[in-house]
Order: sequence, then structure tokens, then C-alpha cells
Amino acid sequence: DAGVIQSPRHEVTEMGQEVTLRCKPISGHNSLFWYRQTMMRGLELLIYFNNNVPIDDSGMPEDRFSAKMPNASFSTLKIQPSEPRDSAVYFCASRTGTGSHEQYFGPGTRLTVT
Amino acid sequence: AQSVTQLDSHVSVSEGTPVLLRCNYSSSYSPSLFWYVQHPNKGLQLLLKYTSAATLVKGINGFEAEFKKSETSFHLTKPSAHMSDAAEYFCVVSDWGNTDKLIFGTGTRLQVFP
Repeated sequence: DAGVIQSPRHEVTEMGQEVTLRCKPISGHNSLFWYRQTMMRGLELLIYFNNNVPIDDSGMPEDRFSAKMPNASFSTLKIQPSEPRDSAVYFCASRTGTGSHEQYFGPGTRLTVT
Repeated sequence: AQSVTQLDSHVSVSEGTPVLLRCNYSSSYSPSLFWYVQHPNKGLQLLLKYTSAATLVKGINGFEAEFKKSETSFHLTKPSAHMSDAAEYFCVVSDWGNTDKLIFGTGTRLQVFP
């Protein structure tokens, strides 16, 4: 299995621009999670989906952030407009729906907003 | 509510000496516990998990952890450190209020000196 795939691996953009991060979960996994990691705040859960349905988006910092999961094999996290304080590493993780609680993480997207 | 406390933010060892990374948890229920490792500029990788079976859990790369209910601890150990073990280690508990979510410790940075 290829594991969780994220793209791009690095993104540098200017303040005000739209940014779209992409994630392909492990095949057969029913849950998908978006996290943000910074030195100051550590690892934060932004939003997660079960069977493509958003369950909890309470961690999404502002309305500038949105996430979608149009099918079981693809999800996006969009920031519009981006701000310098959004600079972080964004991780996607997936999990089976069969009672196992462990999550499997992708390599992350390092976002820099200038 | 569940929580985890990693007692050391940094641990330094010499190559070939034992590793001990300490973690205490707080949970009203029998928890699911995990250790994840994050190498520089990489995603989080599952090292091992405890899910109420054997209290001594063996993971990848020679690591193991022992669940001690009386001490509410889940310390990570390795008999002999290798240079490649240098990384950030996270102790994690599954949130029984919402088993979809994981609660992460603040991390322990392991340095290995030659």
C-alpha cells in the first residue's frame, strides 16, 4: 500500500492567495483527518470526515478554511485568502472504520505564506 | 477527560545505551494508547499500540512499551539506541468520549550522540 498521499509537499504563496492542499487516504479507510502542526501550538486537529461526511470542524480556525471530501479517495483543504499566520505543516491522516483507533499519517504539506 | 503527559521534553542518550521516554495518561476508562515517531521533515509513524490485550507491547525498530494501570503509565523503551532513533516521539491516547479523536502529548525530542 502506498500509504496516505499528500500534495504538494511544499507550497510557498503570497498573502491573499488561495491555497489548496490535497490528500488521498489509504484505500479502504473510512475516516480522514486534517491536522496542522506548528512549533507554537503543536499538532491541532482541524476537521475530520467519516464515510466522506464532515463530522467535526470545530478545529477549523476561521471561515477562510474549508475542507471537502467528494469521494472516498480524495480530500482537499482550502485556505482563501491565505495569511502569514497560516504557515505550518498540514497533515492528512486516515483510519479504518472497524474499531481500530490508530491513524496513519501522510508526509505533510509545508505551507509558507509570505 | 483523557489526557497524556510526556514528562520530558528532551532526552539525550549515547548510541548503544538504553532509551526511556516517559508518558503518563489520565483516563476514566481502559484507554487505547499509542506511540508515534516523527523524524525531521516527515509525517508521524505509528511505533506501537496498546488496546487492552498484552500489557507489554512490542513495536517497530526494537521499541516496546509497558502499560501499567496502577501507575497510569505507558513508558517507551529500547535496549540500545541507534543514531537513526533521533526524532520526536509522541504519546497518544484515544479519546473515549469520541473514539474518532486522538489526544496527543506535547512530544519528547530524542537526541542520540555517537
